[in-house]
Amino acid sequence: EAQVTQNPRYLITVTGKKLTVTCSQNMNHEYMSWYRQDPGLGLRQIYYSMNVEVTDKGDVPEGYKVSRKEKRNFPLILESPSPNQTSLYFCASSSGQGRSYGYTFGSGTRLTVV
Amino acid sequence: QQQVKQSPQSLIVQKGGISIINCAYENTAFDYFPWYQQFPGKGPALLIAIRPDVSEKKEGRFTISFNKSAKQFSLHIMDSQPGDSATYFCAAKNSGNTPLVFGKGTRLSVIA
Repeated sequence: EAQVTQNPRYLITVTGKKLTVTCSQNMNHEYMSWYRQDPGLGLRQIYYSMNVEVTDKGDVPEGYKVSRKEKRNFPLILESPSPNQTSLYFCASSSGQGRSYGYTFGSGTRLTVV
Repeated sequence: QQQVKQSPQSLIVQKGGISIINCAYENTAFDYFPWYQQFPGKGPALLIAIRPDVSEKKEGRFTISFNKSAKQFSLHIMDSQPGDSATYFCAAKNSGNTPLVFGKGTRLSVIA
């Protein structure tokens, strides 16, 4: 089944404790992206990657890091999480080719930083 | 600067009625306009999409209307059902290696 898999689904952590949220896709998509979703603010892009070793900042990159060493994986790293990073996070991927730019989203990671 | 403006923020519709969600954009280079549907606890899923070479696209009870001159597009849900209750996001993108830009979302509640 074609899918984007995020782990973990839920995470509670303390301020300053480094964490990584993993994202993996099995569709051989070149494009991957991370979003955070907050009430009233919709989906805001954190980082995106056009291909392996190519990443770029989205609208809200502060406090986050990403890497794209393999085509299928795009982990999101919070080096020193703070309470304002409490949010619902989504990873998405797309082939970005042809006339279809449809994104496939993961099921989300709900992060709470206390 | 918000590139895609979506309204309303929330919408309550009676079962069997028509739900209408509107979006407006500024960037005339956008050439792909999808709508995503998100149920609680799930990621957004592509619902329907349109290109600016047509003014309307219909898939079942869902229709996108597109007005290129006004730089607006809308989602119409005919015969709305309680199962349509979800958050809907419009989005836009131009060709090439650029990200999809989302509206802020509309929470739709269809009541019996």
